[in-house]
Amino acid sequence: GEQVEQRPPHLSVREGDSAVITCTYTDPNSYYFFWYKQEPGASLQLLMKVFSSTEINEGQGFTVLLNKKDKRLSLNLTAAHPGDSAAYFCAVSAGNYKYVFGAGTRLKVIA
Amino acid sequence: EAAVTQSPRSKVAVTGGKVTLSCHQTNNHDYMYWYRQDTGHGLRLIHYSYVADSTEKGDIPDGYKASRPSQENFSLILELASLSQTAVYFCASSDAGGPNSDYTFGSGTRLLVI
Repeated sequence: GEQVEQRPPHLSVREGDSAVITCTYTDPNSYYFFWYKQEPGASLQLLMKVFSSTEINEGQGFTVLLNKKDKRLSLNLTAAHPGDSAAYFCAVSAGNYKYVFGAGTRLKVIA
Repeated sequence: EAAVTQSPRSKVAVTGGKVTLSCHQTNNHDYMYWYRQDTGHGLRLIHYSYVADSTEKGDIPDGYKASRPSQENFSLILELASLSQTAVYFCASSDAGGPNSDYTFGSGTRLLVI
């Protein structure tokens, strides 16, 4: 079945710097990809849903890149600020009910 | 506002005891899910349901039962709680089972088994 590896597990950056989180997946049939943000003690909030047909997706303060050839999904937070401090999870779906989640990245943005 | 509400928010249970975690959704969603989250790991699917009175096994169903008495309610039952079941449990709902559906997650239940 699908396996998702997320790196790095922990990331610390200074305010204003960029932060990059990467997920690699194994199933070439996966075609829906998700990034979630989880603040301490809170639930998961959807940041962005990415379709396999779109390689670059821009959100508010971040960019999601999808490289289908390398089966790699990345989240790039540009100009990180303390409010970005949270855990981030990628999730991959190969076309059914099931999402396969990465292990998460704990991001700390230092003011 | 549509939501997924879990109860309790946290619980301490004794090894061998019975634990029931409850989930209620007002999204009018057909699909509901139970995931567990362990430190350093992503969410793993325990059970799910796509219609009332029916449940399906997920990836890690051993030691857990589920119950879906109505479209709105979905419970996770630990008949004999074990130390290894200490985790955070998330309930979620979605409008369809396919990847085009968006999950709505509950706030989680922190379970400590001692």
